[in-house]
Amino acid sequence: DSGVTQTPKHLITATGQRVTLRCSPRSGDLSVYWYQQSLDQGLQFLIQYYNGEERAKGNILERFSAQQFPDLHSELNLSSLELGDSALYFCASSPETSGYNEQFFGPGTRLTVL
Amino acid sequence: QKEVEQDPGPLSVPEGAIVSLNCTYSNSAFQYFMWYRQYSRKGPELLMYTYSSGNKEDGRFTAQVDKSSKYISLFIRDSQPSDSATYLCAMSAPGGSYIPTFGRGTSLIVHP
Repeated sequence: DSGVTQTPKHLITATGQRVTLRCSPRSGDLSVYWYQQSLDQGLQFLIQYYNGEERAKGNILERFSAQQFPDLHSELNLSSLELGDSALYFCASSPETSGYNEQFFGPGTRLTVL
Repeated sequence: QKEVEQDPGPLSVPEGAIVSLNCTYSNSAFQYFMWYRQYSRKGPELLMYTYSSGNKEDGRFTAQVDKSSKYISLFIRDSQPSDSATYLCAMSAPGGSYIPTFGRGTSLIVHP
């Protein structure tokens, strides 16, 4: 158990809908990362937050957005969903002591868009 | 050319074998190198973390970095069926936010 929690574990929805994925980092970790993992693309970095502020952006679509709250949990919002958004979405957190290179991943949310 | 290349496998070996997993990369700025293990339908788990060139050993696992060749390896000694998983390499450059670039992963199967 990495200490990172994600809810829900599974999500099935229809095209055009909007969903919210939730992540709670390990106790004491200020950085949260979101990743998308699909069979054909591998693990793709989406966005990073540090102590409530956006720190880095990767291949995140405009239909996707995220935020980190004062209690450090984070939410990833996916809107106008398309079939191609079906994937595993992982949240990770990292401690400052390792320079942010050690990332601890949650169990993921499996999103299926029908 | 992708920044990080990793053979997807699968790599099938008998129990007890020495396994060698490899990644090549093109970005000479990479200084931090990580290996993650991912079981099916689970989140990646950090196995090894090394800085710059050289070897690092942890139990049955040895990580090796050759920056001159832009090549990293993970060796697993006395492989066990429980080692069956996908192994992802990751690497990052100093400065900025240290966002790692991941390889696609190599699927390893250790059969009894």
